[in-house]
Amino acid sequence: GAGVSQSPRYKVAKRGQDVALRCDPISGHVSLFWYQQALGQGPEFLTYFQNEAQLDKSGLPSDRFFAERPEGSVSTLKIQRTQQEDSAVYLCASSLGAVQETQYFGPGTRLLVL
Amino acid sequence: GENVEQHPSTLSVQEGDSAVIKCTYSDSASNYFPWYKQELGKRPQLIIDIRSNVGEKKDQRIAVTLNKTAKHFSLHITETQPEDSAVYFCAANSNSGGSNYKLTFGKGTLLTVNP
Repeated sequence: GAGVSQSPRYKVAKRGQDVALRCDPISGHVSLFWYQQALGQGPEFLTYFQNEAQLDKSGLPSDRFFAERPEGSVSTLKIQRTQQEDSAVYLCASSLGAVQETQYFGPGTRLLVL
Repeated sequence: GENVEQHPSTLSVQEGDSAVIKCTYSDSASNYFPWYKQELGKRPQLIIDIRSNVGEKKDQRIAVTLNKTAKHFSLHITETQPEDSAVYFCAANSNSGGSNYKLTFGKGTLLTVNP
């Protein structure tokens, strides 16, 4: 079946612009995660949804970052007033259940803030 | 919170040799340890995982060992092939306060298999 998809794959933004990144998880997956991956680093946890509920947003770096999953399926990560330090790959992952299970990753959105 | 250290950061082997990547973790409550392979510009893909109730797991040329006492786990790839070349990440979950879903990743190991 279809895996996790993300759009856009690449995004160039001018400093100060707002951006919205989309994630389509695997159909039926309860859990959805957002990670930030800086160049040459491992993914870092940003936030976690169980269905439509955002249960953990402890990894969001500032209040400029906002995520939602209103219908428990598609999720959007929004970054307001982008800064150069926001440049990274943003990965989405989903897993079937609500307990620790395999996380399946999307291809990521590469964000470059100029 | 959880802290995961991964070594080495780069590893170069000849085709057919074995490769070993090691990780340590800090949270003694962690109970799930996946390994992901990420090719350049691609998504991380799970290659093997282990839970704390077993000490070793094997899948064809790939094996993972876990030492809970020492809080370290290792990835072993035997008979390496050029297509094994990629960045490998270890991860460990946090298992406190009901947050057992949260993965902390190591910084990655760039494995190069030379033909």
